[in-house]
Amino acid sequence: DADVTQTPRNRITKTGKRIMLECSQTKGHDRMYWYRQDPGLGLRLIYYSFDVKDINKGEISDGYSVSRQAQAKFSLSLESAIPNQTALYFCATGSSANEKLFFGSGTQLSVL
Amino acid sequence: AQSVTQPDIHITVSEGASLELRCNYSYGATPYLFWYVQSPGQGLQLLLKYFSGDTLVQGIKGFEAEFKRSQSSFNLRKPSVHWSDAAEYFCAVGANGYQKVTFGIGTKLQVIP
Repeated sequence: DADVTQTPRNRITKTGKRIMLECSQTKGHDRMYWYRQDPGLGLRLIYYSFDVKDINKGEISDGYSVSRQAQAKFSLSLESAIPNQTALYFCATGSSANEKLFFGSGTQLSVL
Repeated sequence: AQSVTQPDIHITVSEGASLELRCNYSYGATPYLFWYVQSPGQGLQLLLKYFSGDTLVQGIKGFEAEFKRSQSSFNLRKPSVHWSDAAEYFCAVGANGYQKVTFGIGTKLQVIP
């Protein structure tokens, strides 16, 4: 089983719909992150969380919200999806005892 | 705020040739620097990292990178490229370690026979 699991792997939705992307990890890490990847723009940080009660905005948080339901779960929500939120979304984890990020396989989201 | 510049969006090299991918960073203090690789349809995997000490760091898959403070660079190198190295490579800089990591836009590597 993967250490960082993202669901769904692919999702097509319509403008205005609410959608949730989920991330769970079995690594026991305290830190979790959501990035989006766009061609030519690399990865940009949306939100990050260092603990269950800690939520921080990244560089492109507008239009997104997150929930850290437990140490192992970090979900990303688009309250009202728009076409320019079409992207590949990655969840990542890290810990204070480790020095690298572990990435999930990504969720390809298309907003029509 | 930190930033990363990868000036080459696409690079094509012949199998067996040497490779150098460029990365320049901007950060006020001593940076934490990383190179990640992304194979098609996959998440990112760490190749190597630099925090302190020896400025030439070795990574997985035969890659190495050299930190040059005077040039604000952290270029990735490999002496002989294999077809399996075809992927996208991301340079990244971390503030306070890896707590908040900023990625470059990536360099897509194509390897030709």
